Amino acid sequence: EPEVTQTPSHQVTQMGQEVILRCVPISNHLYFYWYRQILGQKVEFLVSFYNNEISEKSEIFDDQFSVERPDGSNFTLKIRSTKLEDSAMYFCASSRQIRNEKLFFGSGTQLSVL
Amino acid sequence: AQTVTQSQPEMSVQEAETVTLSCTYDTSESNYYLFWYKQPPSRQMILVIRQEAYKQQNATENRFSVNFQKAAKSFSLKISDSQLGDTAMYFCAFMWLGAQKLVFGQGTRLTINP
Repeated sequence: EPEVTQTPSHQVTQMGQEVILRCVPISNHLYFYWYRQILGQKVEFLVSFYNNEISEKSEIFDDQFSVERPDGSNFTLKIRSTKLEDSAMYFCASSRQIRNEKLFFGSGTQLSVL
Repeated sequence: AQTVTQSQPEMSVQEAETVTLSCTYDTSESNYYLFWYKQPPSRQMILVIRQEAYKQQNATENRFSVNFQKAAKSFSLKISDSQLGDTAMYFCAFMWLGAQKLVFGQGTRLTINP
């Protein structure tokens, strides 16, 4: 079965540094998402992306965050200046053209901000 | 705003037993989807089962079935003949028709004992 691939699986960074989390969605999917899960808490929606633009974002997704689909296959999440509270598991997900279709999640990137 | 509540933080059963995980949600929408996701220790999010709110028939996937009570806004997951591999965190999630984000509950940690 096709899968969503995320790299790296674990990233450690210093507070204030920029990080880029990378995702390769399933090839025929058109909707892309980022979610995050702080340890011990529920999974939270960050942003959805369709047709090369953000279609919806949460309150968490402030100016420090940005997303991009630079080359037609990768989907990235950039955090410009990381804070301690950005430490979390970040999940990428994708779905086919039809909304509310099954979301396929990647294995996540554990971001640790020191 | 939509909210999802899972009132059982942890559950534990013996292998081969049947277990039911509870979920309630709050919404003013009439058209929506409900999901159960499994998160094993690897932390990947795996879709277990999905229910469309307009369908009266409860969804079933092999050993997994739901009891969907729309009027009560309840969506429980039943796991029959539980197996050791079912040990995981289980998240209930809601998506309003036309929205692009899942709203997750807090999760229930399920342990299957040999």
